Amino acid sequence: DAKTTQPPSMDCAEGRAANLPCNHSTISGNEYVYWYRQIHSQGPQYIIHGLKNNETNEMASLIITEDRKSSTLILPHATLRDTAVYYCIVRLLLVGSEKLVFGKGMKLTVNP
Amino acid sequence: EAEVAQSPRYKITEKSQAVAFWCDPISGHATLYWYRQILGQGPELLVQFQDESVVDDSQLPKDRFSAERLKGVDSTLKIQPAELGDSAMYLCASSSGTVHGYTFGSGTRLTVV
Repeated sequence: DAKTTQPPSMDCAEGRAANLPCNHSTISGNEYVYWYRQIHSQGPQYIIHGLKNNETNEMASLIITEDRKSSTLILPHATLRDTAVYYCIVRLLLVGSEKLVFGKGMKLTVNP
Repeated sequence: EAEVAQSPRYKITEKSQAVAFWCDPISGHATLYWYRQILGQGPELLVQFQDESVVDDSQLPKDRFSAERLKGVDSTLKIQPAELGDSAMYLCASSSGTVHGYTFGSGTRLTVV
């Protein structure tokens, strides 16, 4: 069962920041938060992950609350190509427990 | 950039027929996964291999689905006989076991008519 809750959809204007929320209130201390996205008719693509600290890479930033019960994925300058389904996943990093369990995700639509 | 290769990209088959999908993971990735994604849903894990061994097939409908990874490299997922409800995207992924090492292929879109 998915351990995360995301709104089903969100709209964002092109060029603006997109802030995608995720609740994971039952996360355990050794579980990471991962974000993937899936553009129509393609396989899911890794975006970013984090444990406790905020993280940034060339694609996005991840803000994790101090109690780790929620997080926000930030796309700083959304483009039309960022339109996709975004999945927030919590995951252990133990050998034999690497599998990803997906929920329904959240559809982000970036509008011109 | 290394990719997970899947074929065919699209497949249309009649119900009760057999169908097979192929996956070639990233070289050196010991763990291979098959997922099924029904339209509007997130991917659902069907089977997980570690090298040539199945480590999790709890969600695989074993009466009609089978999967193998004989030499611990590429893998085949088979459905026999196909049913209308099997229409979905079948995704293969491989992992090196590291933090970033989970990569998906582009999938096979199956339509059963």
